[in-house]
Amino acid sequence: QQPVQSPQAVILREGEDAVINCSSSKALYSVHWYRQKHGEAPVFLMILLKGGEQKGHEKISASFNEKKQQSSLYLTASQLSYSGTYFCGTGAYNQGGKLIFGQGTELSVKP
Amino acid sequence: DADVTQTPRNRITKTGKRIMLECSQTKGHDRMYWYRQDPGLGLRLIYYSFDVKDINKGEISDGYSVSRQAQAKFSLSLESAIPNQTALYFCATSPRFGNEQFFGPGTRLTVL
Repeated sequence: QQPVQSPQAVILREGEDAVINCSSSKALYSVHWYRQKHGEAPVFLMILLKGGEQKGHEKISASFNEKKQQSSLYLTASQLSYSGTYFCGTGAYNQGGKLIFGQGTELSVKP
Repeated sequence: DADVTQTPRNRITKTGKRIMLECSQTKGHDRMYWYRQDPGLGLRLIYYSFDVKDINKGEISDGYSVSRQAQAKFSLSLESAIPNQTALYFCATSPRFGNEQFFGPGTRLTVL
C-alpha cells in the first residue's frame, strides 16, 4: 500500500520553510526521499533507517518516527532550486531495495 | 555518458499493439526496476529484478511482462497495449549493497 504524503502541493517564497510528511500504514524499515524536477528523472536525496538518526543534506533534513510510521522532510530557507516534486519511498525489512513510493508533493518556490 | 539509458524516449502506439521498452545500464548494478508515473499517483513499481535469475512482480504488474537479458539489460513489454497504459515509464538501478536508486531519463508512452 502506498504511503500517503501531505501536503499534495505547497507554494513558498524564497527563504521560507516547508515540511513534507510521509505516513505509512505498515511498519517501516527505511524511508527514502527523492526529488524530481520538471521534465527530469527523480534524484535521490537521503535515506533514513530504522533506529537511525535525523539526516541532513545542505538545508534539507529529515526525521523518521518509527512508532508513528512517519517521516518528515524539512526544507529551510528555501531556494528557487528546491522547486520540484518530492517523493518518499518506503522499504520493509528483508525486501532488499524494493520501495513503495508515495504520490508526491509538488513544491514551488517563487522569487 | 548516461549511466542508465532508456529506449525509446517517446512512443505513440495503437491499442492492441505489442510494445517493448528497453533499459540499459553501465553502472554494474545488480538490481533493476521498472516504474510507471501518472499525475497524482506518484511512482508505482511494475517489476523488479535483484539479479538475472530473480524477477519479481511489483504493485501493478498486470498487463506487463519483463525480461532480464543480462545484468545490464532489463526490458518491459506490453503484450497488448491499452489506453490506460499511457504513462511515463522509468527504469532504475541500485547496487546490491546500497540504498540509492538511479533513474533513467524515462520513456513517454501514449496508447491511442
